[in-house]
Amino acid sequence: KQEVTQIPAALSVPEGENLVLNCSFTDSAIYNLQWFRQDPGKGLTSLLLIQSSQREQTSGRLNASLDKSSGRSTLYIAASQPGDSATYLCAVWDDKIIFGKGTRLHILP
Amino acid sequence: GAVVSQHPSWVICKSGTSVKIECRSLDFQATTMFWYRQFPKQSLMLMATSNEGSKATYEQGVEKDKFLINHASLTLSTLTVTSAHPEDSSFYICSASVTTNEKLFFGSGTQLSVL
Repeated sequence: KQEVTQIPAALSVPEGENLVLNCSFTDSAIYNLQWFRQDPGKGLTSLLLIQSSQREQTSGRLNASLDKSSGRSTLYIAASQPGDSATYLCAVWDDKIIFGKGTRLHILP
Repeated sequence: GAVVSQHPSWVICKSGTSVKIECRSLDFQATTMFWYRQFPKQSLMLMATSNEGSKATYEQGVEKDKFLINHASLTLSTLTVTSAHPEDSSFYICSASVTTNEKLFFGSGTQLSVL
């Protein structure tokens, strides 16, 4: 049974710092992995999608990597800003999509 | 990017009534739509997967007679919570993709409060 774990559950960092969010999954037979952000009481915003054949994707200050063999993905956020404060979720596709519980990120002004 | 519109954003209803939530893909045809629920500080949980023109596939533990899903067209799926009770109070979110396992686009969610 696929399980997705995100560590840490919560993170506070000063504005301007670079940071890394972690996501691990137990079954490496995935189609793809997707990172989202969720603002309180809102829906999800897709950030990056990494296909199983890819190793990383970049969008602006965000970079996501995927290591299927080790069952890990990281989301790197460069030069963090207060507007980056949100919950970040990763999700993997195998037979269905499975979400982690998320990392609540708080950027300190 | 693709837009998924979900309505209503929030709804308060009395126990025993039914509530319908709509999910529309505005600028693409969604072969597959998904419905999730999320309790506070919990992860999103997939409730069901629906493909246009066919019956929805429900996840284990989700009552199909209570959560009616209709995906009548390539741009519209509805979730009806029948005879809602306070324990059904939750945040419901839909998502859509062009094909299964493709990138997902999410609605803005519906906060349901059952009194």
